[in-house]
Amino acid sequence: EVQLVESGGGLVQPGRSLKLSCAASGFTFSNYYMAWVRQAPKKGLEWVATISTSGSRTYYPDSVKGRFTISRDNAKSSLYLQMNSLKSEDTATYYCARHNRGYTYYGYWGQGVMVTVSS
Amino acid sequence: DIVLTQSPALAVSLEQRATISCKTSQNVDNYGISYMHWYQQKPGQQPKLLIYEGSNLASGIPARFSGSGSGTDFTLTIDPVEADDIATYYCQQSKDYPDTFGAGTKLELK
Repeated sequence: EVQLVESGGGLVQPGRSLKLSCAASGFTFSNYYMAWVRQAPKKGLEWVATISTSGSRTYYPDSVKGRFTISRDNAKSSLYLQMNSLKSEDTATYYCARHNRGYTYYGYWGQGVMVTVSS
Repeated sequence: DIVLTQSPALAVSLEQRATISCKTSQNVDNYGISYMHWYQQKPGQQPKLLIYEGSNLASGIPARFSGSGSGTDFTLTIDPVEADDIATYYCQQSKDYPDTFGAGTKLELK
């Protein structure tokens, strides 16, 4: 059974940093592109970052480019999101998601972790 | 960015058909594949993949769910609606960077 378990969320002040983790199990982690998708309170879904199988390629929308860094450790079946220079508009539930083999849709999602950016 | 437009809410009776639409600002088809996908999200839960590439049923999803459409107009159909289907439904396109989602359609009971 595919499982994705996020951790590392919490309350952080504007301008500070936070690192999220996602522990994957139930599949060969190194074979899949992975992603982070977020959802602000009472709002819709927003793609945040995607990383290739080896980690050599990463992709971001303009809203987080230069502030967020996605990475992975295939030996530990783990995905990470380093978030710097956080803003109030980054407040959201962050989901770890597994891409399909063609990295076009998100086949599996974690339960999510809440990040609140507030002074 | 490609904008996806969904109606905010749809009221439906149990055992009736629900039709949820998603219109895109640009064509999301390429080489015969529609890069349109649908997700279900219940309150307090993560999204779940229902339909991928326009009309393909994801693993474990009941046949009551179906997807159709092409180009810029897509539809998710639930027939018949069951009580467990009350949720918010999101469409997503992956034809062009960045991946974008619709704002969601909340399915409610009439």
